[in-house]
Amino acid sequence: GESVGLHLPTLSVQEGDNSIINCAYSNSASDYFIWYKQESGKGPQFIIDIRSNMDKRQGQRVTVLLNKTVKHLSLQIAATQPGDSAVYFCAETLNQAGTALIFGKGTTLSVSS
Amino acid sequence: GAVVSQHPSRVICKSGTSVKIECRSLDFQATTMFWYRQFPKQSLMLMATSNEGSKATYEQGVEKDKFLINHASLTLSTLTVTSAHPEDSSFYICSAGGGQGTDTQYFGPGTRLTVL
Repeated sequence: GESVGLHLPTLSVQEGDNSIINCAYSNSASDYFIWYKQESGKGPQFIIDIRSNMDKRQGQRVTVLLNKTVKHLSLQIAATQPGDSAVYFCAETLNQAGTALIFGKGTTLSVSS
Repeated sequence: GAVVSQHPSRVICKSGTSVKIECRSLDFQATTMFWYRQFPKQSLMLMATSNEGSKATYEQGVEKDKFLINHASLTLSTLTVTSAHPEDSSFYICSAGGGQGTDTQYFGPGTRLTVL
C-alpha cells in the first residue's frame, strides 16, 4: 500500500488566495520529498523538493514545509492563479540513486477567478 | 530541467495484441528508469524499476511476463504490454533519474493506452 497520504482530496480557492496542500508520510526513513503538479492527461511536473536536513524551502510562489516530528509535508502556493489548477502529489523516497518514488493520493486544486 | 519523452502519447489496440511504449531521456543519461501506471482519479503506482543492462525489478502484483521491460541503453527504456486486455487500459508514465548529478526524477508526458 501507499505510505504517503493526503488529508484532503480537493481544495477550492479564489484567485489571489494562498493555497496550502498537506501531506502525511509514514516512512520515517524517507529523506527526500518532492511535490509534483499534474495537469489532466499529462505527466507529473516537478514543483519543489526538500531534503530531510531542512524544514523549509522556498521557490517562486511556492514554499514546502517539512515537519519530521509528525511526518508532515505541506505545499504553500502564494497568490494562486487559475493556471495552478491541477492535481498535486507529494512523493517520498530515500535519497539514494535508483530509488523509486512513493506517491500520495493527490489533492485536486481548483482556482476560480 | 531534464527532458523525458514517451512514444506514443496515445494508443488504442484490440484485446490480445501487444503494445510497446518507449521512454527516452533526451539530454541526459539515465542509469535507472521507472515505470508507473495511473488509473483515472488515482495516484501513480510504481510498476517496475528498470536498470540499464540488467533485468527490471517488478513491484509485487505486477506480472513480469505481461509487462516486459527492456533498458538497452542509458537513454531508452521500453515497456511492452503483452496480450493486452481492457483492464490494462491506463495511463503509463515513465521517469528517469540520475541526470545532472542529482537524484531528481523527471517524468515523461505519459502514454494513454486503451484496449478495446
